[in-house]
Amino acid sequence: AAGVIQSPRHLIKEKRETATLKCYPIPRHDTVYWYQQGPGQDPQFLISFYEKMQSDKGSIPDRFSAQQFSDYHSELNMSSLELGDSALYFCASSLGAGSYNEQFFGPGTRLTVL
Amino acid sequence: GDSVTQMEGPVTLSEEAFLTINCTYTATGYPSLFWYVQYPGEGLQLLLKATKADDKGSNKGFEATYRKETTSFHLEKGSVQVSDSAVYFCALSDNTNAGKSTFGDGTTLTVKP
Repeated sequence: AAGVIQSPRHLIKEKRETATLKCYPIPRHDTVYWYQQGPGQDPQFLISFYEKMQSDKGSIPDRFSAQQFSDYHSELNMSSLELGDSALYFCASSLGAGSYNEQFFGPGTRLTVL
Repeated sequence: GDSVTQMEGPVTLSEEAFLTINCTYTATGYPSLFWYVQYPGEGLQLLLKATKADDKGSNKGFEATYRKETTSFHLEKGSVQVSDSAVYFCALSDNTNAGKSTFGDGTTLTVKP
């Protein structure tokens, strides 16, 4: 079965650079969530989209922005990167938004900021 | 706000031992509860879930029961294997917040042969 696809899987950037992470949800899934997992930490919710509209916002820095496109894929844009942005970024997708709708997680993008 | 509290780790067990990882939660609505497993260098995998009180989720020998009266969702397995060594996250998804998940801190389980 098709799963959530994230690209790239690994990304190395310098401080103050920009990065774009992509997420391709499971076909027919209309909801995308982004999470950030720092080293040894639990995943923290960043932002979510339902039907191409932002549905919820968590602890996402102002330097980050995201959107969901007409084909339901989503991109997380990160600017002025800082060392503390080094983390594993997960995308999850679901069919519909709500607690009963199971989220399927992608393998994550590991971002390293040097 | 929503929160999830897991028993502190790490947990080290011998193969075939009984496993319990405690999880309690605080939520404003009627959450669904989940256990995820994360193997080294990999993503999150859903282990089991329960969507309403008294539901029991089960998978691969793991079980957890949604206890509304104690706001708990403890993970249990009768006989662990070396291959169960991983980090386990308890999580909730609340209907009042567009379905986002709130995770516990994670519990690292190491099973020794």
